Amino acid sequence: AQSVTQLDSHVSVSEGTPVLLRCNYSSSYSPSLFWYVQHPNKGLQLLLKYTSAATLVKGINGFEAEFKKSETSFHLTKPSAHMSDAAEYFCVVSDNLQTNAGGTSYGKLTFGQGTILTVHP
Amino acid sequence: EPEVTQTPSHQVTQMGQEVILRCVPISNHLYFYWYRQILGQKVEFLVSFYNNEISEKSEIFDDQFSVERPDGSNFTLKIRSTKLEDSAMYFCASRPRGGRVTYEQYFGPGTRLTVT
Repeated sequence: AQSVTQLDSHVSVSEGTPVLLRCNYSSSYSPSLFWYVQHPNKGLQLLLKYTSAATLVKGINGFEAEFKKSETSFHLTKPSAHMSDAAEYFCVVSDNLQTNAGGTSYGKLTFGQGTILTVHP
Repeated sequence: EPEVTQTPSHQVTQMGQEVILRCVPISNHLYFYWYRQILGQKVEFLVSFYNNEISEKSEIFDDQFSVERPDGSNFTLKIRSTKLEDSAMYFCASRPRGGRVTYEQYFGPGTRLTVT
């Protein structure tokens, strides 16, 4: 079974200051982890992904995340927030496409509850 | 850049009516998914579809729900007899045939379903 906990439902920062959105996961298998962003009235856009390669993952728009297996965390960071970063962010875990004890899985995504990021001028 | 499209963007229906939500996945993708997000709640997995059959479904996806890929282009979600609690944003997603590392899904903008 897999699950994701986003530790903050709302984060508010000033423009130009760092952003930290926290995520902890639980997975029975070697997970793939993602951050998706959703701007108002838009679909879900992939920010970055971790799929068992480098533990520090760089994404679009200056975001990055570090996979820490010992802490089961995948926190999202950005050194300097921009007004356009205001959106809702989802941490997501996927069981990988592989045969497991329960049969073959097809990449079902499990979402965290989302963190709304507000950026003040 | 190719994208997943969904129609309609907003659907209002009366309880007990059938609705069909439509999605056009990215053309060379092989795995298809439906998710939903009830207002204020998490995005939840409904069903995955591969090789013209359901590959996995959640407990939410009961006999009232069905999916179909009728023409090799569209991917539809049908709810036979809608309930008030079916009101949600429904997202379609697709994924290319992946190797060991490519598991990202590409999402459509969603259809907001309101059941009255």
